[in-house]
Amino acid sequence: KNQVEQSPQSLIILEGKNCTLQCNYTVSPFSNLRWYKQDTGRGPVSLTIMTFSENTKSNGRYTATLDADTKQSSLHITASQLSDSASYICVVTDRGSTLGRLYFGRGTQLTVWP
Amino acid sequence: EADIYQTPRYLVIGTGKKITLECSQTMGHDKMYWYQQDPGMELHLIHYSYGVNSTEKGDLSSESTVSRIRTEHFPLTLESARPSHTSQYLCASSESGSSTDTQYFGPGTRLTVL
Repeated sequence: KNQVEQSPQSLIILEGKNCTLQCNYTVSPFSNLRWYKQDTGRGPVSLTIMTFSENTKSNGRYTATLDADTKQSSLHITASQLSDSASYICVVTDRGSTLGRLYFGRGTQLTVWP
Repeated sequence: EADIYQTPRYLVIGTGKKITLECSQTMGHDKMYWYQQDPGMELHLIHYSYGVNSTEKGDLSSESTVSRIRTEHFPLTLESARPSHTSQYLCASSESGSSTDTQYFGPGTRLTVL
């Protein structure tokens, strides 16, 4: 069964600290993996996208890694800011269907305290 | 910020009412999607469209219907709303032929049926 599991479910950190969010998936055949940021009451916004051959991708203070062999990804946030408070969603696309079926994780709810 | 819009942002209605959730995008994307998201849960695809006059049901069974008469417009209709329809509804679009097929999300409509 194709699944995307994220951990932790929620995380509280102090402003300026770093944190790492985890994503494990069983989606096959794999096409790509995205990390989205979803602010409360808003739609998700794409942060990074990685294909099978990519190990790491950065977007400012966000760095995503991918290990396609172990089917794991992480999102590292450096020097957190209050505006980083949001839900971070891992999304995996399978390439076995015409639609390019997306599998969504439930997200990690990150709260950054001053 | 993606050019995809949803109205209304919030809607509170009584049981049995007919409602239409609007979604428009100005990016010329062929593909459009409707997702349903409950708090703390993953997004579930309920409808999608490859282009004008093309609509398909998604993975999650839904009593809603959609139409795609114009490329930029993808409204969702509930003929008779029930409390079980209370949820957040997210519209998204993506470009055909894109190597990444990234979906761009609207801000969502928070629906409450009393």
